[in-house]
Amino acid sequence: SYELTQPPSVSVSPGQTARITCSGDNLGHKYVSWYQQKPAQSPVVVIYQDNNRPSGIPERFSGSKSGNTATLTIRGTQPMDEADFYCQAWDSSTALYVFGTGTTVTVL
Amino acid sequence: EMQLVESGGGLVQPGRSLRLSCAASGFTFVNYAMHWVRQRPGKGLEWVTGISWNTGAITYVDSVKGRFTISRDNDKNSLYLQMNSLRPEDTALYYCVRGSSFSLANDENWFDPWGQGTLVTVSS
Repeated sequence: SYELTQPPSVSVSPGQTARITCSGDNLGHKYVSWYQQKPAQSPVVVIYQDNNRPSGIPERFSGSKSGNTATLTIRGTQPMDEADFYCQAWDSSTALYVFGTGTTVTVL
Repeated sequence: EMQLVESGGGLVQPGRSLRLSCAASGFTFVNYAMHWVRQRPGKGLEWVTGISWNTGAITYVDSVKGRFTISRDNDKNSLYLQMNSLRPEDTALYYCVRGSSFSLANDENWFDPWGQGTLVTVSS
C-alpha cells in the first residue's frame, strides 16, 4: 500500500521557520494537501494542490515540493500554530486517499 | 456557513453493527463527493471510504472492504456509513468530510470541511 512518511515531531522557536516534510514514492507526480489539527479539534486544510492556500489561512503557511518530498513551511511561527500536521495524496494505482504519518509541531 | 454534523456513534460489542449519519448544510450537497475519515485514539488520520456525487463511484480502504458500506441521500443532504462485523480495531473518531469536487477518484481533490466527528467504541 502507498505510504507517506513525515517526521514525528518538529520543534521551533516563536518567530522562526518550521519546515515539515512528507515523502513518498512518485510523490513528485501527485498533488499534496496539508491539514492542521489542533488538540481536540477537527483537521483544517491549510494547503491544497501542493502550494495553494485556502481563504482564511495565514500567509505564513506555504507549500512546496522537490522531487518526491513535499514541504509545509510555517514562517514566523506563532504559539497558536502548535498542532499536528498531516500531508495527504491520492494513489492512482489503488484509487485510495492516503494521509501521512503526522508531525507534531511544538513552539517553544 | 458549511457544516457537517455526524451522529450515530457509540459503544458496540465486537461483531455487531452500527450506522453513522452525517447531515450536511451550507453548500450544495449533490455537487460534491463525500468521505469518511477515522482517527483511532491518539493516532493519525486514516481515510476509510468515499462516494462520488451520484454514487457512481465508491471506494474503501482494504481493512473495511466487505464490512462497511457508504451511501448518500442527496434529497436529504445526508451521508451514511453502515458498519457491520465491527472489530476492536475499528474503535475511532469518525469524521464526515466533503471532497473538493464531485469526482471521487481525482488527484486534484482535497478535504474541506470536516465534521466534529462521532466516536465509535468497539468493546465487549
